[in-house]
Parts: sequence; C-alpha cells; structure tokens
Amino acid sequence: EVVLTQSPDTLSLSPGRRATLSCRASQSFSSSLLAWYQQRPGQAPRLIIYGASNRATGVPDRFSGSGSGTDFSLTIGRLEPEDFAVYYCQHYGYSHTFGQGTKLEIQ
Amino acid sequence: EVQLVQSGAEVRKPGESLKISCKASGYTFTKHWIGWGRQMPGKGLEWMAIIYPVDSQTKYSPAFQGQVTISVDKSTTTVHLQWSSLKASDTAMYFCARDFYDGTYYYKDVWGQGTLVTVTS
Repeated sequence: EVVLTQSPDTLSLSPGRRATLSCRASQSFSSSLLAWYQQRPGQAPRLIIYGASNRATGVPDRFSGSGSGTDFSLTIGRLEPEDFAVYYCQHYGYSHTFGQGTKLEIQ
Repeated sequence: EVQLVQSGAEVRKPGESLKISCKASGYTFTKHWIGWGRQMPGKGLEWMAIIYPVDSQTKYSPAFQGQVTISVDKSTTTVHLQWSSLKASDTAMYFCARDFYDGTYYYKDVWGQGTLVTVTS
C-alpha cells in the first residue's frame, strides 16, 4: 500500500507570498492517480488538482501542481486570504490513501 | 447541480448501532463509485470504503474491513454507512464523496457536507 508523506506539516506565510507544498510517495505510481484537496476549517474537502497537474473546475490559476513517480508538489503563486487552509494529497489506489496534510497558516 | 447531502449529526452510546446516509442528486447515480471517509477530531482524512451502485460491488480499506458496512439504495440514490456496535473511537466526522473517472484520471470531485458522529457513554 502506498504511503504519502507531506511536508512541511505547517507552513507559515504572508498573503502575497508563494507557497510550495510537497507530497512524497513510498513507491512510484502514475501521476493520473494523484490529486490535491483543500479543506478550510469546518468545511468538506474540495478538489483542487487532479492528475498531478490539472486544475479542477473553478480553481484559480495561481494554483498549480507538478511531479511524477514518487515526488509531487502543489504551488500557490500569490497567496490570498482564502487560501489559508489544510491541503491533502491523495493516491487513488486500493485504499485511496491521503497524506497527513499540510496546514498553510497566516504568518 | 451535482450534490451529495448527508444525514444529520448523531450521538450514540458505545455498543449501539448506527446507519448514516448520503443522498446523491443531479447526475446519473449508477455511473460513479461513491464512498465514505473518516476524519477524527483534529486529524487527517482516511478513506474507508466505496461502492458501485450498479451492482453493489464494494471495496474496503484494510483498516476498516469488518468494522463498517457500506450499502446502496438505487431507488433513492442513497449510500449508507453502518456500524453494528459503536466504539468511542468511532467519534469523528464522516464524509461521502463521488469518485470520478474520465478514462484517464481518477479523483473525488463532489463531497458531502459531513456527518458528525459522537459516541459517548
């Protein structure tokens, strides 16, 4: 079973800065199976990126995803106040494994 | 509009049974797998099980096999998650989500609002 490890656990940045979140897998898999989700406090997760690099409908273009094999990343170009949330990567394998999450907080 | 609407919060005692629901609307219900995940207080997401409404085929994550049962009612386009004997450690927020596959990509594109289950004596 694939294990996803996200880093850092917490990222403190100011609005307007660029954020880069990492997701490392315990074994290589197709990028078509990697998605990123955003979860704001008290809300359900929301799909941000699918297939490692494709933005979901309605997601601003400041969000971008990249990577392949075992190393994937999510970049937010210029942080807006509404971007501060927890982000999860997810592998669509047998157990639909999620990473432990990265909390993006306002510095 | 594609929507998943979950049943309301529940409070139960240890040892009691429970069934929560997720009603789908706005799309062809039988075309997509749909499943449940758990989020314990202050923790991350764990996916529990998925079901294919066409034939009720199920897949359980190993950690949840035998602990819960996922089922579907095609007549009401509703997916259920049930416990026969709750434990305090089942206290969590539970989310349902639709799985989308377009021939290339797999992802969970529509989520329910969450159902809070509290198990306390």
